[in-house]
Amino acid sequence: QKEVEQNSGPLSVPEGAIASLNCTYSDRGSQSFFWYRQYSGKSPELIMFIYSNGDKEDGRFTAQLNKASQYVSLLIRDSQPSDSATYLCAVTSTDKLIFGTGTRLQVFP
Amino acid sequence: EAGVTQFPSHSVIEKGQTVTLRCDPISGHDNLYWYRRVMGKEIKFLLHFVKESKQDESGMPNNRFLAERTGGTYSTLKVQPAELEDSGVYFCASSHFGPDTQYFGPGTRLTVL
Repeated sequence: QKEVEQNSGPLSVPEGAIASLNCTYSDRGSQSFFWYRQYSGKSPELIMFIYSNGDKEDGRFTAQLNKASQYVSLLIRDSQPSDSATYLCAVTSTDKLIFGTGTRLQVFP
Repeated sequence: EAGVTQFPSHSVIEKGQTVTLRCDPISGHDNLYWYRRVMGKEIKFLLHFVKESKQDESGMPNNRFLAERTGGTYSTLKVQPAELEDSGVYFCASSHFGPDTQYFGPGTRLTVL
């Protein structure tokens, strides 16, 4: 079992729709959870982090954390073609980040 | 504020050669991390510096890899001798406080032929 699991996609959504990206993790000791966006050939860019159970909103993005279920999600409202990228879920393990393989999101006009 | 920078952006070498990658973290960031992404796999942790000290090098694949951070500023990652399986994108990241909020550099794409 991988430490952080994501569906590789692609997840295709029409412009203006809500994109829902999911991630599960295996280490119950993980304290911090991150979503990175990575455009092809570019570096990962931090877009959201969440530490506590519940929802955290930032603009069009909402991160959701359920530690009991070991589940993290990212909702992107009003999806735009510019949101098309790979979204990486990462969790902390002691002093490092453990990444999932990422979900490719495609937003079509 | 300048971000994390890495040099070179690409490197193509032959098996058995030596390559040195460089990372300049964001100014003032004591924490510096090296990660690697092999084709089709997830980004994997290699090691973590706090200032000039190696905090965790549990992800280093083997003793062909040597990382240094003299003076606690920039870091180098040397691969000697390089093998085919070392090909991938090597990312450097830095943070002010521990593992949270790490900012990534553009990466060095290493190809070993």
